[in-house]
Amino acid sequence: QSALTQPASVSGSPGQSITISCTGTSSDVGSYNLVSWYQQHPGKAPKLMIFEDSKRPSGVSNRFSGSKSGNTASLTISGLQAEDETDYYCCSYAGSGSWVFGGGTKVTVL
Amino acid sequence: EVQLVESGGGKVQPGGSLRLSCAAYGFSLSSNWMHWVRQGPGKGLVWVSRIKGDGSSTYYADFVKGRFTISRDTAKNTLYLQMNSLRVEDTAVYYCARTDYFDLWGQGTLVTVSS
Repeated sequence: QSALTQPASVSGSPGQSITISCTGTSSDVGSYNLVSWYQQHPGKAPKLMIFEDSKRPSGVSNRFSGSKSGNTASLTISGLQAEDETDYYCCSYAGSGSWVFGGGTKVTVL
Repeated sequence: EVQLVESGGGKVQPGGSLRLSCAAYGFSLSSNWMHWVRQGPGKGLVWVSRIKGDGSSTYYADFVKGRFTISRDTAKNTLYLQMNSLRVEDTAVYYCARTDYFDLWGQGTLVTVSS
């Protein structure tokens, strides 16, 4: 399967909101409510931020929210903080037991 | 403490084999889908393989089919990835992750395939 498409980078000023898109196809993102999002700091393991398109795990800040429309999912970070500056990845079930990740987005806090 | 601890990485020549382990603590592998995900140097996350808690179903990315085998030992509560016919492009940090939400990750183990 081809990787989901994410913008290489997104930036915003502290306190602003930013949105990261994740575009797939009708065979993955568009077919299942199984998009998840991960935050990964350099040299660290990824951390689950959103699952099932828009659900937030216990302990994750409510500044992070997820949504989906058609074949495109989105992660919005509101009230941007310096600690949010890192890499983010989306992931979707792709059918037939397989999964696919996005290429990753680097978030920069200006 | 609930955690995953990978081991078994190292340097191997092209065509060689390696077996990665992922020990689970604080929960039972038999109750969860488990995955292997890899990340090449400076690259993004790539899904590799998945196994059902009871071991009855396994799935693989096309680029590892026929070369890698996922398995688990419930007595040792440990997940494995047997990697054969390794290629230079398999060089990556390999992570194990719990459930189809990938809600818990190990720290990763580095596999380097080079002559």
